[in-house]
Amino acid sequence: GQQLNQSPQSMFIQEGEDVSMNCTSSSIFNTWLWYKQDPGEGPVLLIALYKAGELTSNGRLTAQFGITRKDSFLNISASIPSDVGIYFCAGQMNYGGATNKLIFGTGTLLAVQP
Amino acid sequence: KAGVTQTPRYLIKTRGQQVTLSCSPISGHRSVSWYQQTPGQGLQFLFEYFSETQRNKGNFPGRFSGRQFSNSRSEMNVSTLELGDSALYLCASKPGQGNTIYFGEGSWLTVV
Repeated sequence: GQQLNQSPQSMFIQEGEDVSMNCTSSSIFNTWLWYKQDPGEGPVLLIALYKAGELTSNGRLTAQFGITRKDSFLNISASIPSDVGIYFCAGQMNYGGATNKLIFGTGTLLAVQP
Repeated sequence: KAGVTQTPRYLIKTRGQQVTLSCSPISGHRSVSWYQQTPGQGLQFLFEYFSETQRNKGNFPGRFSGRQFSNSRSEMNVSTLELGDSALYLCASKPGQGNTIYFGEGSWLTVV
């Protein structure tokens, strides 16, 4: 199945460090979404991006929609132990809200050492 | 406001059996989609329903099917189960306006 290229695959950091991950695609999307998934749970939406160049923050999280519409990045500042989990990007090609189909990235496993 | 609710959370089936999973979307959401998550393939789109009609379908065999009811609740069915169907099956809903998609906690299916 189709998946977006997401990097890094995993990160092991100290509490308080900043984290950056990104996602690239060969296709253009008009929505980018970032999700966090804890073990055994469904993905939880962190940030949604709707316009090329858009920069959006949610607390310590900041995400940007690339101007080419083929990439996006997520930054987490001052990481804390509860940031541990798998982070997924997802791209959506939708017109007028016509579809739910998301193409997901391969995921970034984040581990935070207290 | 209750989130997306999926039942059952965990189930074990034998090869060759069939299974039905249920999803109740967020109140007021009319669009429901299903995804399969496995370690090897990641999160893959199965299908999507809106107003009881299948609007989009992923690249899965015909053993995978779904439907949506008039109250927007949805079910998916997998027939003639194979070992490779073991996965976390996730349901997601979206409001009529806007592009934000919310996921349920998923149904863990193990095929033995």
